[in-house]
Amino acid sequence: DTAVSQTPKYLVTQMGNDKSIKCEQNLGHDTMYWYKQDSKKFLKIMFSYNNKELIINETVPNRFSPKSPDKAHLNLHINSLELGDSAVYFCASRLGTFAFFGQGTRLTVV
Amino acid sequence: GEDVEQSLFLSVREGDSSVINCTYTDSSSTYLYWYKQEPGAGLQLLTYIFSNMDMKQDQRLTVLLNKKDKHLSLRIADTQTGDSAIYFCAETGSNTGKLIFGQGTTLQVKP
Repeated sequence: DTAVSQTPKYLVTQMGNDKSIKCEQNLGHDTMYWYKQDSKKFLKIMFSYNNKELIINETVPNRFSPKSPDKAHLNLHINSLELGDSAVYFCASRLGTFAFFGQGTRLTVV
Repeated sequence: GEDVEQSLFLSVREGDSSVINCTYTDSSSTYLYWYKQEPGAGLQLLTYIFSNMDMKQDQRLTVLLNKKDKHLSLRIADTQTGDSAIYFCAETGSNTGKLIFGQGTTLQVKP
């Protein structure tokens, strides 16, 4: 009964592949996010959706495409993976004041 | 612009107090937060403070806010080895609700 769950937890893939990371929240929140944490632990927002609509799109390459089939899910699809995409990707959801994070997906591109 | 700064590393002995500092730039932030990240884990909301408060205490945690200087601190009393983690300060940027994080402070607690 994890509040914000991401799959997979680990993902190792070759350069040039396309991969997806899934996120689901059972909190009934309207807003969901994707954040990227780089090797120096710096966290930066990538996207935000509110009720299935994109509201924030930070300067992210268009190889990254979020998809929200319903307000409980926000998936992240990445095309043509590059070495620099290696990072930990965190999904989060928010209602009002507080944001809750998933456990992260560690993506390694080789 | 929106920016949050923290020192990168703090080392303390078990039983001592730890103080982690943070400065931010967006004076319109309604709430300021502290998140904790243990190795290999996600981000856990540790505590928060409303911008019209200057102090909040929650068991071993004390948050101090100096709104004039845009300075936030987290004090952990009687620091334990289980407190070893990365601590992130965050503010909500503008009206978007997105969290702007500092670089994280790695707290090392020596026995």
